[in-house]
Amino acid sequence: AQSVAQPEDQVNVAEGNPLTVKCTYSVSGNPYLFWYVQYPNRGLQFLLKYITGDNLVKGSYGFEAEFNKSQTSFHLKKPSALVSDSALYFCAVRDGTLGRLYFGRGTQLTVWP
Amino acid sequence: GAVVSQHPSRVICKSGTSVKIECRSLDFQATTMFWYRQFPKQSLMLMATSNEGSKATYEQGVEKDKFLINHASLTLSTLTVTSAHPEDSSFYICSARDYSGADQPQHFGDGTRLSIL
Repeated sequence: AQSVAQPEDQVNVAEGNPLTVKCTYSVSGNPYLFWYVQYPNRGLQFLLKYITGDNLVKGSYGFEAEFNKSQTSFHLKKPSALVSDSALYFCAVRDGTLGRLYFGRGTQLTVWP
Repeated sequence: GAVVSQHPSRVICKSGTSVKIECRSLDFQATTMFWYRQFPKQSLMLMATSNEGSKATYEQGVEKDKFLINHASLTLSTLTVTSAHPEDSSFYICSARDYSGADQPQHFGDGTRLSIL
C-alpha cells in the first residue's frame, strides 16, 4: 500500500531564511511523488513532482524537493522563504495503477516577517 | 497550464436540499476525475473516483446513494449531495488528470464550501 507521512503539523520560519517541509513515503514499486500547496478556501496547486531522473526536482515559486531513495524521503525546500509562502503544504504519492493520490496530513507553513 | 473549474464555490442551503457540484477540465480531456472531502485543518479524503462513461468507484464508508456522481463527458463530472444534512457540511474538492502526456499531475478545482443549515 502507498502512503506518505508529514511528521510536522507546523513549520515556522523567518522571511529570508531557508525552509524545509518534511515528507517520507512508503510505496510498493517505483514512487511517483508530488507536492501541492493550498491557500485558505482554495483547491490545491501543483508545485512539483518526482517520477524518474534527477533526485533534485525544481518546481514553481522557487521550491525544490530532494528525492532520497535510501531514506525514503521527499523533503520540500526553498532557499529563501517569503511571507507569501505561508500556506498548507501536502505531500502525495500516486498509485501507479489507479492514478489516485495518497496525501499526507499536511504541514502548515508560517513565514513571519 | 491545465485548469480545472469547480462550481459553485460556496453553497448555503437548508437541510434536506440536494446540491450539485460541477467539475470541469477546461483545456484537456479527463477520463478520470476524483472527488475529495476536506475537514478543517485536515488532509483530503478521497470519496470516489469518477470514470467517464461508467459507474464511479466509491471509497469504503462513502454512501453512493448519498453522493451521486455522474461523469457524462470527458470534461465534466458532477457530484450531487442528496438530501443534505448539517453533517454533510464540508469543503469538497475535485481533481482531474490529463492523460494526454506521460506522468501528468492531477489538477485541482478551487473547491466548494458546502454549509447546510
